[in-house]
Amino acid sequence: AQSVAQPEDQVNVAEGNPLTVKCTYSVSGNPYLFWYVQYPNRGLQFLLKYITGDNLVKGSYGFEAEFNKSQTSFHLKKPSALVSDSALYFCAVRDTSSGGSYIPTFGRGTSLIVHP
Amino acid sequence: DAGVTQSPTHLIKTRGQQVTLRCSPKSGHDTVSWYQQALGQGPQFIFQYYEEEERQRGNFPDRFSGHQFPNYSSELNVNALLLGDSALYLCASSLATVDEQFFGPGTRLTVL
Repeated sequence: AQSVAQPEDQVNVAEGNPLTVKCTYSVSGNPYLFWYVQYPNRGLQFLLKYITGDNLVKGSYGFEAEFNKSQTSFHLKKPSALVSDSALYFCAVRDTSSGGSYIPTFGRGTSLIVHP
Repeated sequence: DAGVTQSPTHLIKTRGQQVTLRCSPKSGHDTVSWYQQALGQGPQFIFQYYEEEERQRGNFPDRFSGHQFPNYSSELNVNALLLGDSALYLCASSLATVDEQFFGPGTRLTVL
């Protein structure tokens, strides 16, 4: 079975400060990991993914995420937050083991609020 | 490229009615997945269509059914609507061999 947890319902950060949105996962085999962002009344937009290779993945809009296998985490980061980054962020995981689902499981989402 | 499009944008129905939602995938994509996103929740997988067949299904009752057409567009049908079916319904398209999904803006369904 595959599952993902986003332990924070909301993250508040001041504009210009670094931000981190946390995600932990559970899979039987190796994970494919994803981050999506959702703005109000919009669908999800893909930010970045980890398949294999470097543990630090760079994505859209200056975001990056660090894959940590020992801690089963895939935290989303940005060095300097913008007010326009305020949105809902979803982490997703797909188990690549045989018998694993081809469909990702999404977390409940974390609301990021960047204060001016 | 228009990306993934969905219609209608909003829909209001009453309990017991039936509804059909439509999705056109991103150009070149052959796989369509449907998700239900309740308020304050992440997207929950309903089913996925590839080559006009339901390839995988999530934990949703048979009241939820779908179809994929030869041009890869898709419909989601929900029968005997319940209040709990009120949600944002998202369509996502992809290539069959690629994990990255492109989402549409969603259809907001309200059941009264």
